[in-house]
Order: sequence, then C-alpha cells, then structure tokens
Amino acid sequence: KAGVTQTPRYLIKTRGQQVTLSCSPISGHRSVSWYQQTPGQGLQFLFEYFSETQRNKGNFPGRFSGRQFSNSRSEMNVSTLELGDSALYLCASSRGLAAKNIQYFGAGTRLSVL
Amino acid sequence: EDQVTQSPEALRLQEGESSSLNCSYTVSGLRGLFWYRQDPGKGPEFLFTLYSAGEEKEKERLKATLTKKESFLHITAPKPEDSATYLCAVQARDDKIIFGKGTRLHILP
Repeated sequence: KAGVTQTPRYLIKTRGQQVTLSCSPISGHRSVSWYQQTPGQGLQFLFEYFSETQRNKGNFPGRFSGRQFSNSRSEMNVSTLELGDSALYLCASSRGLAAKNIQYFGAGTRLSVL
Repeated sequence: EDQVTQSPEALRLQEGESSSLNCSYTVSGLRGLFWYRQDPGKGPEFLFTLYSAGEEKEKERLKATLTKKESFLHITAPKPEDSATYLCAVQARDDKIIFGKGTRLHILP
C-alpha cells in the first residue's frame, strides 16, 4: 500500500513569489492535514481538509491557503513568500477526521525562501 | 493558551540504558495525547494514542503513560535503532492538534 506522497521534495523560491505544494494521501483516506515544521517552533498545524471542505485551521496568516480535490489529493499554496516561510511542510492523511484517527505523514517538502 | 512542552530537548544514552522522556501539557479539555517518532529526512511515524489519565500502552521497548498533567515515554534497554526524535502532541477540545518541539534521542552502541 503506497504511503503519503508529497511533491516536490525540495523547492527554492525568492521573497515575494508564490508556491504550491502537493499531497497525495493514502488510498481510501479522506482527511488531509498540513503542518509547518521549523527548528524554532517545531510542528505547527496549518489546516485540515475532509471531503473537500476545510474542517480546521491553525493560526497562520491568510497567505497560507489550501484545497482538496474530489480524489482527496490536496494542495497548499503560500503567496507573497517571506524569509520566515522557509520550513519543512508536512502533509498527513487519515481515514477520517484527524482528531479521531491515526495520521500518516509524508516525507515533506523542504521550502527555502531566499 | 494550549501548550505542550517536552523535556529534555536532547538525550544521549548508552545501549541498554533505560530512561524516560517527558511531555507536559496545558490544554483545555484534553481529548487525546499522541506520541510519534521522526527519523531524519522523514515524516513523523505514529506510535501511541492515550485518552485518559492512568492509561498505558506498550510497543516493543516503548511504554507510554498518561496523567492529568503529563505523559512519559519510557524506553527500556534501548538499541541504536531507537535513535530518533520523539514528538508528543495533544488534541484539544477544538480538535486542533498541538505538537511539542520533540526530544532528540541518541543511543550509543
């Protein structure tokens, strides 16, 4: 059974640009959550999508947005990139809502903003 | 404010030397506490979920316990392959999941 797949694995962008990250969940999983991981702040919750609807959102500015498609694949977009957005972005999928199910994480996309 | 604090930040043990990792939390209406393991270059891997004070769960050399204020991850007779970062997370009443910053564990052969 294939795991959670995140693409691309690495990205380099410059300040002011925008970026889109992709996440393909485990087959049959309907929930996708996104996290930002940095050495200083650790893992921070961005948002969760379930059945194409955003179910929960963390404390991040509106520059961070996401969506989920009918096949449960999800994308995360960051507009007007800032240096502080450099981080490892992790996606996790679960069979149902993350609060009630085991989350399986992808290997992440490492974003560097120059 | 909901918060999760893990200690120590880093821990070096000799192979076979048992120890415990701590996860203390302040959260409104704890609905679940999770332990994950993260290896370099990989995403976190689920280990345990604990729901109520007094609950314990075991897997191989790992045992997780929960009280009303903290959780412990006990590692018995660790091996070098147990080296990883161990993450604790809590599920608050609003269903948001809050992670601690982790404990980097290094087991020396």
